[in-house]
Amino acid sequence: SQTIHQWPATLVQPVGSPLSLECTVEGTSNPNLYWYRQAAGRGLQLLFYSVGIGQISSEVPQNLSASRPQDRQFILSSKKLLLSDSGFYLCAWSTGGSNQPQHFGDGTRLSIL
Amino acid sequence: QKEVEQDPGPLSVPEGAIVSLNCTYSNSAFQYFMWYRQYSRKGPELLMYTYSSGNKEDGRFTAQVDKSSKYISLFIRDSQPSDSATYLCAMRAPSSASKIIFGSGTRLSIRP
Repeated sequence: SQTIHQWPATLVQPVGSPLSLECTVEGTSNPNLYWYRQAAGRGLQLLFYSVGIGQISSEVPQNLSASRPQDRQFILSSKKLLLSDSGFYLCAWSTGGSNQPQHFGDGTRLSIL
Repeated sequence: QKEVEQDPGPLSVPEGAIVSLNCTYSNSAFQYFMWYRQYSRKGPELLMYTYSSGNKEDGRFTAQVDKSSKYISLFIRDSQPSDSATYLCAMRAPSSASKIIFGSGTRLSIRP
């Protein structure tokens, strides 16, 4: 069966520091991969998605970037964190094909001080 | 107007009650509908996935879609305290370029 792993679960970082969140998927090949941010009481905001290695689409211009160095690895990065980057970051995967549901990891809660 | 509207709650019901959770949407292109359950500090978990009008049942859960009214529902029978969570509806159009649009979630509490 397929599993998705995200780490770390919780992260506290100072303003201006770099960021690297990692997500890996097991049990499937060539998945579509997604990064979302979820604000309290609000829906999920799609940040980036990838349909293959090295292919990244950005949905919202911002202080973050994403990379996909391997088929089942997706990384969310920032060179300099802002206070507004605080939030709950979720990675998700789906099988290829436009109509498949997405499956989520357990998220990283990021606090910027 | 948001594409997907969902009452944020909180909704509190006694154990054993039937729960009804609802979403309305404005985009008639949406053809695929999902319900996710999210426990505190966890990621959303897919509960139901449907692409047609009518009902789909899975155990104590029933998803209902009314495309003519642009209205979807999730019913939970014999609700349990373990059902206490936030429930997110989600939907998308069939185009490969379309994104999944999520509701903001309804917080549900089942009282023992």
